[in-house]
Amino acid sequence: TQLLEQSPQFLSIQEGENLTVYCNSSSVFSSLQWYRQEPGEGPVLLVTVVTGGEVKKLKRLTFQFGDARKDSSLHITAAQPGDTGLYLCAVRYGNKLVFGAGTILRVKS
Amino acid sequence: DTEVTQTPKHLVMGMTNKKSLKCEQHMGHRAMYWYKQKAKKPPELMFVYSYEKLSINESVPSRFSPECPNSSLLNLHLHALQPEDSALYLCASSHSSGEGTDTQYFGPGTRLTVL
Repeated sequence: TQLLEQSPQFLSIQEGENLTVYCNSSSVFSSLQWYRQEPGEGPVLLVTVVTGGEVKKLKRLTFQFGDARKDSSLHITAAQPGDTGLYLCAVRYGNKLVFGAGTILRVKS
Repeated sequence: DTEVTQTPKHLVMGMTNKKSLKCEQHMGHRAMYWYKQKAKKPPELMFVYSYEKLSINESVPSRFSPECPNSSLLNLHLHALQPEDSALYLCASSHSSGEGTDTQYFGPGTRLTVL
């Protein structure tokens, strides 16, 4: 079983729609990170959440860390074609960074 | 400067070739990483160097040989690769390799094709 279960795997939506990506685990983490990766590039860190129940906003992106620090969500409001990419949640596990399976988002104009 | 650079950007090699991937950072980071990423999949950790010493080898086949000549450079030497080794190879660096919220900065990757 995967340490992090990410859903959905694929998402294809129209410009202007809202969406939510989920990252779940049965383990408790001290922090969780979200990355976005565009085609031909490496992953870029979007946010790190560290406190249970924490909500962080980055323009149209809202990140939430579950109260029990086992799960997280990423909500995008009014998606734009520039949001297209692979979204990855990740946690520190020992001295490794472990990624979820990723969500491929395609926003059509 | 928060940039990790990787060369080459693309590499095509035969199964009998020997080639090297290069990675460089000038952020003073003491941990550097190699990941392998297949299409539409998350990156998979291959190696971790901490203070220029190999600290993690994720059971990677010996046809992949990492090298850390100094704190700014990381190489991955390739020999006798198989077609299934074709992937995007990502380098990353971080301040340290310990636990916590230490951020990893990724390079753009080298797209490797093995014929």
